[in-house]
Amino acid sequence: EAGVVQSPRYKIIEKKQPVAFWCNPISGHNTLYWYLQNLGQGPELLIRYENEEAVDDSQLPKDRFSAERLKGVDSTLKIQPAELGDSAVYLCASSPQGRVQYFGPGTRLTVL
Amino acid sequence: DAKTTQPPSMDCAEGRAANLPCNHSTISGNEYVYWYRQIHSQGPQYIIHGLKNNETNEMASLIITEDRKSSTLILPHATLRDTAVYYCIVPGTGANNLFFGTGTRLTVIP
Repeated sequence: EAGVVQSPRYKIIEKKQPVAFWCNPISGHNTLYWYLQNLGQGPELLIRYENEEAVDDSQLPKDRFSAERLKGVDSTLKIQPAELGDSAVYLCASSPQGRVQYFGPGTRLTVL
Repeated sequence: DAKTTQPPSMDCAEGRAANLPCNHSTISGNEYVYWYRQIHSQGPQYIIHGLKNNETNEMASLIITEDRKSSTLILPHATLRDTAVYYCIVPGTGANNLFFGTGTRLTVIP
């Protein structure tokens, strides 16, 4: 069974540019999560989807971050415009009904 | 969510058992204890979870004290590939969000 797929794996952009990350969850998993992980820290939740509905986006900086999960499968996380402090790893996870989450490899973003 | 406390780092000799402790003294009711690990440059990986009874799977064993205020993750025969950051998490009843904290960095030494 394929795991959570994320792309790209690495992205380097200049500040003020837009960037987008894509996630394909495990087939059949209704819940999808986006996490942010800074160097030396544990992942922090940005947004959680149940099917196509964002049920927890309280930690998502809505002035520059946006996310969507059309059709309740794939999801895209966007930053516009990117700032230097956005350099981090962006992780996507999915879970079936329940608590165990399965993570993708992440996208490492570097903002110059 | 119940707060968890873990040592920042531990070493373990290859082939020996690695015992990773976690305190969760404010755990209550039906809150489960989850363990994940994160190998360098990879996403977190689920290991095991439990409520009251000890649990074992192909990766590890989880020992939860009778008062449920602490637990220990046991890797019975640590290998170099077990070098990772290990996170002990108590998500809270009805909560899907995992608070990872900073975990324990386990280094398996040849």
